[in-house]
Amino acid sequence: DAGITQSPRHKVTETGTPVTLRCHQTENHRYMYWYRQDPGHGLRLIHYSYGVKDTDKGEVSDGYSVSRSKTEDFLLTLESATSSQTSVYFCAIREADGGQPQHFGDGTRLSIL
Amino acid sequence: AQSVTQLDSHVSVSEGTPVLLRCNYSSSYSPSLFWYVQHPNKGLQLLLKYTSAATLVKGINGFEAEFKKSETSFHLTKPSAHMSDAAEYFCVVSDPNKSTFGDGTTLTVKP
Repeated sequence: DAGITQSPRHKVTETGTPVTLRCHQTENHRYMYWYRQDPGHGLRLIHYSYGVKDTDKGEVSDGYSVSRSKTEDFLLTLESATSSQTSVYFCAIREADGGQPQHFGDGTRLSIL
Repeated sequence: AQSVTQLDSHVSVSEGTPVLLRCNYSSSYSPSLFWYVQHPNKGLQLLLKYTSAATLVKGINGFEAEFKKSETSFHLTKPSAHMSDAAEYFCVVSDPNKSTFGDGTTLTVKP
């Protein structure tokens, strides 16, 4: 299995609190992604990174920010969590340009009450 | 415009029988197409991808898919289902501007 670790794996928090999810990779891949998965839906892209300090928005980026200060770490922050952000969040990585992510983490289940 | 439709939300087969998971797409470009599998409480695993080379694509675990441009389809097949194939499967269409995931098909394999 590709070396992708997401932390925490589960989190319950309250509306209005900040939340940071971490994705750590040991593959030295250039591209990293954050997706959310909601029941009955496929994955939707939140943000992605194409290198250290290089990030861009996906289709559902409102309410989320990201940072990538090192190749191996990609952080997703919910500045002020809302109940609509209750979801399962997946990190993914890709080595080269073009195409879809090759490897996914096991996900973080986030509940916002 | 880009979209992907997985025609069946649930498919049930008996072990040892063929599997067919259907995917139709639309794209303004010549797209790349992908199939992923997701087992419970796990991330997605790439099964196979089409990127404008051979139209019949072979993937891992005995799966394959055929790109049919005239039918705008990319159906996933396997000749003989195994219990371990029970999972959710996602079809993805990708072009230079964006990628779209289908809503998924849950495959149940009966003993």
